[in-house]
Amino acid sequence: DAGVIQSPRHEVTEMGQEVTLRCKPISGHDYLFWYRQTMMRGLELLIYFNNNVPIDDSGMPEDRFSAKMPNASFSTLKIQPSEPRDSAVYFCASSTGTEAFFGQGTRLTVV
Amino acid sequence: QQPVQSPQAVILREGEDAVINCSSSKALYSVHWYRQKHGEAPVFLMILLKGGEQKGHEKISASFNEKKQQSSLYLTASQLSYSGTYFCGTEMRRGGADGLTFGKGTHLIIQP
Repeated sequence: DAGVIQSPRHEVTEMGQEVTLRCKPISGHDYLFWYRQTMMRGLELLIYFNNNVPIDDSGMPEDRFSAKMPNASFSTLKIQPSEPRDSAVYFCASSTGTEAFFGQGTRLTVV
Repeated sequence: QQPVQSPQAVILREGEDAVINCSSSKALYSVHWYRQKHGEAPVFLMILLKGGEQKGHEKISASFNEKKQQSSLYLTASQLSYSGTYFCGTEMRRGGADGLTFGKGTHLIIQP
């Protein structure tokens, strides 16, 4: 298996623009997580899905953030409009309920 | 509730031992340990479950004190490849039902 696949690996965008991050989890994994990592706050859980259903989005910082999982093999995290303070590495991870496998992350820079 | 890790950073010589601690103010179901190298994704090392079950890495061991809600990661005879940032992640309910809440990490530097 190729592991968790995220795209793009790097994204630079201007403040106010819409940003969409993509994730393909490992086949057969029924949990999918979106994390954000910054130096100041560490790894923060934004939202997670179980069987494509959002279970807990209490970590989503603002209404500007939204996430979807239309099917078992694809999820998106959207930021609209983006702001400089959204700059971070965004990780997607999947699991069957025990160990989580992380994707390589998307480094987002909002200028 | 974010778990608290200590120390924040450790510098060791190759072959020395290290202990990294993780504590929570909430009752825990499990503690997970991950290692992240610079510019890479976190990689799973170990999971410790309420009741004493462990699953993980061959050369790394850990303990979980359920009464104190504390876990410790033991790195013995450290190798250069052990360098990185170690994170503990905690769950209050079984089976990933919460998602992991991670501590801020412990930076481990192994020098030759």
